[in-house]
Amino acid sequence: NAGVMQNPRHLVRRRGQEARLRCSPMKGHSHVYWYRQLPEEGLKFMVYLQKENIIDESGMPKERFSAEFPKEGPSILRIQQVVRGDSAAYFCASSPSGQPQHFGDGTRLSIL
Amino acid sequence: TQLLEQSPQFLSIQEGENLTVYCNSSSVFSSLQWYRQEPGEGPVLLVTVVTGGEVKKLKRLTFQFGDARKDSSLHITAAQPGDTGLYLCAGVYAGGTSYGKLTFGQGTILTVHP
Repeated sequence: NAGVMQNPRHLVRRRGQEARLRCSPMKGHSHVYWYRQLPEEGLKFMVYLQKENIIDESGMPKERFSAEFPKEGPSILRIQQVVRGDSAAYFCASSPSGQPQHFGDGTRLSIL
Repeated sequence: TQLLEQSPQFLSIQEGENLTVYCNSSSVFSSLQWYRQEPGEGPVLLVTVVTGGEVKKLKRLTFQFGDARKDSSLHITAAQPGDTGLYLCAGVYAGGTSYGKLTFGQGTILTVHP
């Protein structure tokens, strides 16, 4: 049973570009959570989605960040016009019912 | 803002010693999870506790959930170098708008010397 798959594992972008991070949940999991781990900080919740619905986006920055979980395909976290402060590790977790959550290995985003 | 305080932040011990990591909050959890994270990887779930007073064991690791569901501890007996890593506690706060989102502690970096 494959775990949570995130790609790419590493992503380098220049300031002003767009970053797209993908997350395929574990088979049978319809709940997806995104978390961000900034350098020297702990993991912080960003957004919670179920298929085709955003349930809780209270942790998402108000601008430039968006997330989706379409009926078919992976969940996408999109960051427009990236800035240096967006450099972080972004983790996706999935669950069949909200708990427990199983994490992917993350995408390390570096902004030049 | 609900805070989850994890301590100690760093722990350096010799092989064979015992250790305890603590997580505390002023708010009640509906569930609490412990994870271990290796460099360059995602957190790996160790255990979930949901009932006040619950104790779970995983080989040499013992997890306790406080009676009031506001705190938890991880105890490792006879630590081994293979236990070295980052340990994270993460809780879901009780309440209608938590939606299962995890609030993480700051983490404990454990180093076990041979």
